[in-house]
Amino acid sequence: EAQVTQNPRYLITVTGKKLTVTCSQNMNHEYMSWYRQDPGLGLRQIYYSMNVEVTDKGDVPEGYKVSRKEKRNFPLILESPSPNQTSLYFCASSFYAASYNEQFFGPGTRLTVL
Amino acid sequence: AQSVTQLGSHVSVSEGALVLLRCNYSSSVPPYLFWYVQYPNQGLQLLLKYTTGATLVKGINGFEAEFKKSETSFHLTKPSAHMSDAAEYFCAVSGPIYNQGGKLIFGQGTELSVKP
Repeated sequence: EAQVTQNPRYLITVTGKKLTVTCSQNMNHEYMSWYRQDPGLGLRQIYYSMNVEVTDKGDVPEGYKVSRKEKRNFPLILESPSPNQTSLYFCASSFYAASYNEQFFGPGTRLTVL
Repeated sequence: AQSVTQLGSHVSVSEGALVLLRCNYSSSVPPYLFWYVQYPNQGLQLLLKYTTGATLVKGINGFEAEFKKSETSFHLTKPSAHMSDAAEYFCAVSGPIYNQGGKLIFGQGTELSVKP
């Protein structure tokens, strides 16, 4: 089944404890991105990747890191999480980074930072 | 700069009634427009999209949307609501490829409730 998977789905952590949220897609997509969803704000892009080894900042990159060593994986790293990073996170992918392509979304990771 | 405004954070309709979810956008380039649906505890799923051509776009589950350039609108409609339509709906516009890879710019979302 074609899909985007994320792990973990739920995570409660404490301020300053490094964590990684994994994202993997099995559709051979070139483009991957991370969004965070906050009430009343919709989804905002954190980082994106046009292809392997090519990543760049989105609209809200502060406090996050990413890597794209393989085409299928795009982990999101929080080196020192803070409470303002409590949010719902989505990974997405599409065939190419063309504007008209449908993006496929993972099921989401709900993160709480205490 | 591009932006999306969804009018009404919550919309409630009765089962069988018309569903109308409003979306207005601003874009300095010809827009590509999308509606996504998010069911509880799930990721976003594409309902429909407008890229070029016919301005009335049909999507899944009986939804459709009409692109009106003069009104900068892309409202989502469904003639008869079903209980299973209860979800959050997001309108989005995507930018040109040179702007963050054609990222999606989302509205704030509209939660649709369907009453029996």
